[in-house]
Amino acid sequence: AQTVTQSQPEMSVQEAETVTLSCTYDTSESDYYLFWYKQPPSRQMILVIRQEAYKQQNATENRFSVNFQKAAKSFSLKISDSQLGDAAMYFCAYRTANSGYALNFGKGTSLLVTP
Amino acid sequence: DGGITQSPKYLFRKEGQNVTLSCEQNLNHDAMYWYRQDPGQGLRLIYYSQIVNDFQKGDIAEGYSVSREKKESFPLTVTSAQKNPTAFYLCASSLGGPNEKLFFGSGTQLSVL
Repeated sequence: AQTVTQSQPEMSVQEAETVTLSCTYDTSESDYYLFWYKQPPSRQMILVIRQEAYKQQNATENRFSVNFQKAAKSFSLKISDSQLGDAAMYFCAYRTANSGYALNFGKGTSLLVTP
Repeated sequence: DGGITQSPKYLFRKEGQNVTLSCEQNLNHDAMYWYRQDPGQGLRLIYYSQIVNDFQKGDIAEGYSVSREKKESFPLTVTSAQKNPTAFYLCASSLGGPNEKLFFGSGTQLSVL
């Protein structure tokens, strides 16, 4: 079975500090893509960042960056200079040709940002 | 504006009743997906469709049915066979390639009366 594991159900960070959310995945496919999605209380799914597995360079999007360790099948998300608006559920996911390129999600990490 | 629309926002189901959740997109996307989200859980795939008149079961298809008669529309029916239907349902669409962004609707919260 293909799975995504987010080992931290909840995380807390102070405003302006840095936090890292963990994710490991398990797929037998060689071609896949990795994503982090944010779900605020509105429950709208928002794409944060994505990474092609064939690229060695880690993706960055402003304050968001990833640490992609392909051999370890690890894909952590680092949020720098945390803001109150970053408080949300964060889901790690990957896509392969299986299931019509549907996203396979982890169970999520709830991020609390304190002033 | 282009986007993906789900309706209704809230839906209540009586025992033994079938209910249908609507999902419409005007993004000209080929692929569409239905996910179920339970509290404290990630999103789980119910059904997906890569092309009109074709759809496939996802991980938790039992008790659900879909149709894809038009490119723009991918309705989900929660049948009476689904014994635990209370959940948040999300529809998504994409152009279908592996690196294409999935666009999500705003979801439908289904509850049992």
